Amino acid sequence: AQSVTQPDIHITVSEGASLELRCNYSYGATPYLFWYVQSPGQGLQLLLKYFSGDTLVQGIKGFEAEFKRSQSSFNLRKPSVHWSDAAEYFCAVGPSGNTPLVFGKGTRLSVIA
Amino acid sequence: DGGITQSPKYLFRKEGQNVTLSCEQNLNHDAMYWYRQDPGQGLRLIYYSQIVNDFQKGDIAEGYSVSREKKESFPLTVTSAQKNPTAFYLCASSIAAGTNEKLFFGSGTQLSVL
Repeated sequence: AQSVTQPDIHITVSEGASLELRCNYSYGATPYLFWYVQSPGQGLQLLLKYFSGDTLVQGIKGFEAEFKRSQSSFNLRKPSVHWSDAAEYFCAVGPSGNTPLVFGKGTRLSVIA
Repeated sequence: DGGITQSPKYLFRKEGQNVTLSCEQNLNHDAMYWYRQDPGQGLRLIYYSQIVNDFQKGDIAEGYSVSREKKESFPLTVTSAQKNPTAFYLCASSIAAGTNEKLFFGSGTQLSVL
């Protein structure tokens, strides 16, 4: 069965600094990969997704992620973090077909001045 | 505006009581999902429905029940058999069933036990 690991439970960065959130997955074939963001007490919003093709994908709010098959990773990056980026970030994976996504446990991002 | 509406925002359950969480969508989506979120545990799938009058168990279905009598509605009942119901519950929908479909989420219901 597929699984997702987000190794970092909580990350704190300074405003304006770069950000990288890690995501590792376990799946035999090329999976569908997603990053979602959740503000406190709210639902999740899709940041970006990867299905195939170019391994560097661009998303909303200036985020990007790179699929690395050799490392089974799909890390999320942003060159300059804004205070409004403080939230919880979830990586998700799924095979093709009708199987629902499997979510990681999330990484909480704090942004300090 | 199209979207997913979950109600109530906060809900309290007494011992031995069944409670029902509402989820309504006006996006004309076929697929709907219920997730449970506990701090540090991420999202865990309770039930999902790919089409009206059909639904499947997720990873943690015990103590929960659902119905899908209308396309727009996918209510979740937390039964008295669920011994640890305190959590944040999220409803989601997608245009069709399929891993590649974007999920649209409601704003959640926080359920607590009195």
